[in-house]
Amino acid sequence: DAKTTQPNSMESNEEEPVHLPCNHSTISGTDYIHWYRQLPSQGPEYVIHGLTSNVNNRMASLAIAEDRKSSTLILHRATLRDAAVYYCILRRDSNYQLIWGAGTKLIIKP
Amino acid sequence: NAGVTQTPKFQVLKTGQSMTLQCAQDMNHEYMSWYRQDPGMGLRLIHYSVGAGITDQGEVPNGYNVSRSTTEDFPLRLLSAAPSQTSVYFCASSYSDHSDTQYFGPGTRLTVL
Repeated sequence: DAKTTQPNSMESNEEEPVHLPCNHSTISGTDYIHWYRQLPSQGPEYVIHGLTSNVNNRMASLAIAEDRKSSTLILHRATLRDAAVYYCILRRDSNYQLIWGAGTKLIIKP
Repeated sequence: NAGVTQTPKFQVLKTGQSMTLQCAQDMNHEYMSWYRQDPGMGLRLIHYSVGAGITDQGEVPNGYNVSRSTTEDFPLRLLSAAPSQTSVYFCASSYSDHSDTQYFGPGTRLTVL
């Protein structure tokens, strides 16, 4: 079954870029890559998603490897409010269900 | 819009008790789902619904029942609570099952003694 692998935690300094890696070596050709984040004591929040091409939105950028076996979420200028657990998720094309991993806890240092 | 709302925020049950977790959304979303999140883990899908009157099982459905009589509401019922059901429960909704974005409620923290 397709799944994702992420570092347990990462630290970054405030106002610096953050690159959050994700491995998904068993991804199938039609699985989408989604990222959600979860702030403390809150429900998850959508960040970004993509299939093959790199994607940008107001929150972040998503860089997808050419072979699609890995991806990187990029926060261009992290703030203290970006401290959260970031989940890299595969969405099955067969039933649209999200397959969640354990996530990366991002710590932002002032 | 209130978005996705869940009640209660916290609940403590004794083993064998039953209860219903409430979930409502005011965005006219067709797709609704229930997840559970155990400490240090990602979310796991319990049940989902693609519209009123239609429900289906997710990854971990045992011990839970759902119904969808209206578009707005999607309650989750624990039939006979067990300590293994101690978890945080999240309800989510989206326009359709293949929508890119799911909207999550604030969660219900359930403890079963």
